Amino acid sequence: QQPVQSPQAVILREGEDAVINCSSSKALYSVHWYRQKHGEAPVFLMILLKGGEQKGHEKISASFNEKKQQSSLYLTASQLSYSGTYFCGTEGMDSNYQLIWGAGTKLIIKP
Amino acid sequence: DGGITQSPKYLFRKEGQNVTLSCEQNLNHDAMYWYRQDPGQGLRLIYYSQIVNDFQKGDIAEGYSVSREKKESFPLTVTSAQKNPTAFYLCASSPGQHTQYFGPGTRLTVL
Repeated sequence: QQPVQSPQAVILREGEDAVINCSSSKALYSVHWYRQKHGEAPVFLMILLKGGEQKGHEKISASFNEKKQQSSLYLTASQLSYSGTYFCGTEGMDSNYQLIWGAGTKLIIKP
Repeated sequence: DGGITQSPKYLFRKEGQNVTLSCEQNLNHDAMYWYRQDPGQGLRLIYYSQIVNDFQKGDIAEGYSVSREKKESFPLTVTSAQKNPTAFYLCASSPGQHTQYFGPGTRLTVL
């Protein structure tokens, strides 16, 4: 079942913070976050594993709440380069190498 | 340089024709995937393969076919049975740790 991402879209001014959420109704083993710019392929940002620690990448970090089956992506002091669509991919306990993708959150950063 | 290549970047097909999209990786990854992405939408899994000479259907396999004769190659054929093939097609590979790395994509348009 497809994870639910929220919000669907967000517009920020450069330097502002944003949080993107990804929720699943199934027990998860891992959550993967990707960013896709228009017309390009998705680029891997980070993976959060069940029982693992919160991950960070530059000013982008994420958490994974195993009890709620929810992950959140935090973008701090956003830069213009952060613009794009963010996707979460979830892996269930019996995923068999598959990721189930959310519908994406479009992030627009204005100067 | 290691990576995933897809060709062609743009492809035009007449109705009733079969076309084959190429996907090659030199990352020595075991698993490979094909996704379809429609404008403003998320990723939908067409086929995936965990090992050579084996592959499984994804959520939208009808009208598509694949082969995995070599570890580094996973071509996708869009057959005439696929009634609405215009989309952005993404190939990905994974080293088995479930993180997927994407090729640049092929944009297919039916004339």
